[in-house]
This record gives sequence, structure tokens and C-alpha cells, in this order.
Amino acid sequence: EPEVTQTPSHQVTQMGQEVILRCVPISNHLYFYWYRQILGQKVEFLVSFYNNEISEKSEIFDDQFSVERPDGSNFTLKIRSTKLEDSAMYFCASSDEGLRSYGYTFGSGTRLTVV
Amino acid sequence: QKEVEQNSGPLSVPEGAIASLNCTYSDRGSQSFFWYRQYSGKSPELIMFIYSNGDKEDGRFTAQLNKASQYVSLLIRDSQPSDSATYLCAVSPVMDSNYQLIWGAGTKLIIKP
Repeated sequence: EPEVTQTPSHQVTQMGQEVILRCVPISNHLYFYWYRQILGQKVEFLVSFYNNEISEKSEIFDDQFSVERPDGSNFTLKIRSTKLEDSAMYFCASSDEGLRSYGYTFGSGTRLTVV
Repeated sequence: QKEVEQNSGPLSVPEGAIASLNCTYSDRGSQSFFWYRQYSGKSPELIMFIYSNGDKEDGRFTAQLNKASQYVSLLIRDSQPSDSATYLCAVSPVMDSNYQLIWGAGTKLIIKP
């Protein structure tokens, strides 16, 4: 079964450092998303990406965040200057027809720890 | 503020019984409703989606939607210990967005052998 792949599975970084979280969505999917989940809290929407541009973003997705699809397969989330409160699980997801289809397929997540 | 509410639990159900999980949502214009299962430390996994009022069955799972009451539920028949997980309700506010989901905090389900 096709899956969304995320790397690394765990990233530890010092406060103020830049991190790049990587995702390989399912190959025929057109919509890509980043979500995060702080330990014990709700899943929170960060950003959606379609047709090589951001289609929606939340209040969390401020100037410190950016997304890129540098080639035909990868989808990355960059946090420019990490803060302690950025520590969370970050999930990449993809879908073939947006939410009008069948929901998302999530990757296994990257646990980001900012120290 | 669009909200999705779930009882956090834990909900404890004996093995073989029916587990009933409930979710309410605030945005009356919501169109798509999803149930995800999340094991501890893992990513959410889609269990069911439902768009129309009524019941939708898939194996041991039944999703129920009542748009008038803004209520969606998930029934798990013949509960197994492997069903022990947190169940997340997610709602698409399609009138505002084609892309993002609004999530409940999840209900922790424990199936006791």
C-alpha cells in the first residue's frame, strides 16, 4: 500500500537553529499538508499546498515557517529559528482530491525536540 | 471559532462489546466528517469518513452522522484489545476551506480482555 514517508523520525535541535523536515508524499497525490501535535494536545493544521503554492495556512504558520516542493517528489517544512514551543510531532499528509475525497494519508511523523 | 468536541475518556469497554465514541461540532456548514485512530506515539490512521446523514458501515465499524444535531459517532462492534487507542474526530469546514481539517482532542479507548 502506498505510504507517505517522513524523515528524520526524530530531530533534536538547539533553540534558534534552523530545521528542515522532509516528506515524500504518495506519488499520484496532488494536495500536501503539514500538521503538528504537541504532546497530549490536539492535532493542529499548519499549511496546505497545491499546484506548487500554499493554498491555506493557519495562524501558527508564521514567518518562521516555510514549505517547499523542491522536486517532483519531496515536500519540506522549514523552521528558520526554532523555539522551545516548536517541540512537537510534525505530520506530513497527502491526498489525491483534497478533502472532497477520502481524507488524508499521514506519514509516520517527525518528533522535533528543541532544547 | 470552529470547534470539535470529544469526551477525552478514557472509555473502558470489555472485549467483545460495542464501543461507542461521540463527537459534536460547532460549524453547521461542515460537510465532511472523519474518524482517525491514533496509537500512542504514532500518526493518525483513517478509519471512516462520512458525508451524508445516517449510518455508514465498514466491517466492525459504523459511523453515524446527524447534521441537524451536529453530532457524529463511531461504533466499534466486537471490540478487540488491538482497538485500544485514541480516536480522533475531524471535520472539514468545507464552506470555508477545501483543505484543512478541524480536530477534536480525541477519546482514549481501552478494551479490557
